[in-house]
Amino acid sequence: DGGITQSPKYLFRKEGQNVTLSCEQNLNHDAMYWYRQDPGQGLRLIYYSQIVNDFQKGDIAEGYSVSREKKESFPLTVTSAQKNPTAFYLCASSILGTGSYEQYFGPGTRLTVT
Amino acid sequence: DQQVKQNSPSLSVQEGRISILNCDYTNSMFDYFLWYKKYPAEGPTFLISISSIKDKNEDGRFTVFLNKSAKHLSLHIVPSQPGDSAVYFCAAFRGAAGNKLTFGGGTRVLVKP
Repeated sequence: DGGITQSPKYLFRKEGQNVTLSCEQNLNHDAMYWYRQDPGQGLRLIYYSQIVNDFQKGDIAEGYSVSREKKESFPLTVTSAQKNPTAFYLCASSILGTGSYEQYFGPGTRLTVT
Repeated sequence: DQQVKQNSPSLSVQEGRISILNCDYTNSMFDYFLWYKKYPAEGPTFLISISSIKDKNEDGRFTVFLNKSAKHLSLHIVPSQPGDSAVYFCAAFRGAAGNKLTFGGGTRVLVKP
């Protein structure tokens, strides 16, 4: 089955610790994205990548870092510099090309930092 | 600067009736508009889209209308079913801006049996 997997579903960390969220896709999509959703709010773009070894900051990149060493994988690290890390994190992917606009989402990871 | 806005945070409708969700945008350069449906603790799933050169797109019970002069789009669900109870996000796509989607804040729909 093709799709996007995110692990774990729930993650708990102590304040001051870095944590890495996993995102893997087997859709052969070129582009991958990380979003954050807070209660009652929409999705805000953290980082995105259109090609291996290249990525760009989204609207709220501060306190986060990413890597794209493989086409299938786009892990997100939430660093201790992120002031409000508790949120629901969503990974997405898409193909690139004229008329390709739909993004496919993973099931999400809920991160709680105390 | 919120380029995509959904001004109604919630909507309650009786089963069998029409649900109308609204979305406003400010950037006239968007190429496509999409609607996503999201259940709690799950990722959004794509519902329907419309090109900026169209004014209507229909798929089964779902119809999206685009009014470019008003920078407004709406999603009609008819008839509404209890399984439609979810949060609906409007999103806008601009290929020239890095193939990114800009999302609205969402509207929570509750369909009462």
